[in-house]
Amino acid sequence: AQKITQTQPGMFVQEKEAVTLDCTYDTSDPSYGLFWYKQPSSGEMIFLIYQGSYDQQNATEGRYSLNFQKARKSANLVISASQLGDSAMYFCAMRVLDTGRRALTFGSGTRLQVQP
Amino acid sequence: DAGVTQSPTHLIKTRGQHVTLRCSPISGHKSVSWYQQVLGQGPQFIFQYYEKEERGRGNFPDRFSARQFPNYSSELNVNALLLGDSALYLCASSLAPEGAYEQYFGPGTRLTVT
Repeated sequence: AQKITQTQPGMFVQEKEAVTLDCTYDTSDPSYGLFWYKQPSSGEMIFLIYQGSYDQQNATEGRYSLNFQKARKSANLVISASQLGDSAMYFCAMRVLDTGRRALTFGSGTRLQVQP
Repeated sequence: DAGVTQSPTHLIKTRGQHVTLRCSPISGHKSVSWYQQVLGQGPQFIFQYYEKEERGRGNFPDRFSARQFPNYSSELNVNALLLGDSALYLCASSLAPEGAYEQYFGPGTRLTVT
């Protein structure tokens, strides 16, 4: 079974500063994908970034980067130059990429608040 | 292009009633998944459908059922509603059910059971 752990229920960051949201995962499968989603108060889950277990380089998407440390089973999200609009819940998720197990497994989330 | 759409946005039902939630995927996406998100928790997987066939089922009772139509839209049905069914129900679509395809979520249907 897969498990995602997000140990930070809430985080504060000053506008324009960088912030790291922690995520550790547990799986015995060698082929998996790691995802980060943002959920504003409106409820919609917004896809941010993806990292495959065999990807050699850390994923980056604009201000988002994923610090992937496979040996430590961690996939931390780094948001650079925080903006007020970044205030939201952030969820780390994973999915095993072989056949038969297609569901995303989510962590409990981290609430990020960006302060002016 | 339109994203994933869900209807209704909000719903209030009484214990014991039945509810049907609807989802239209992004154009071209053939896989639809349903998730339940209870307040304060991450989403939990309920079902996945691809080409009208069930491809995955989470740990939910038989009161929960779903189907996918030829146009790839989907319905989630919940019978004999319980107070604990109150949650945000999220629909997600992807090009295919397997592989590294990201899932795109709709705005959700917020169900309140009284």
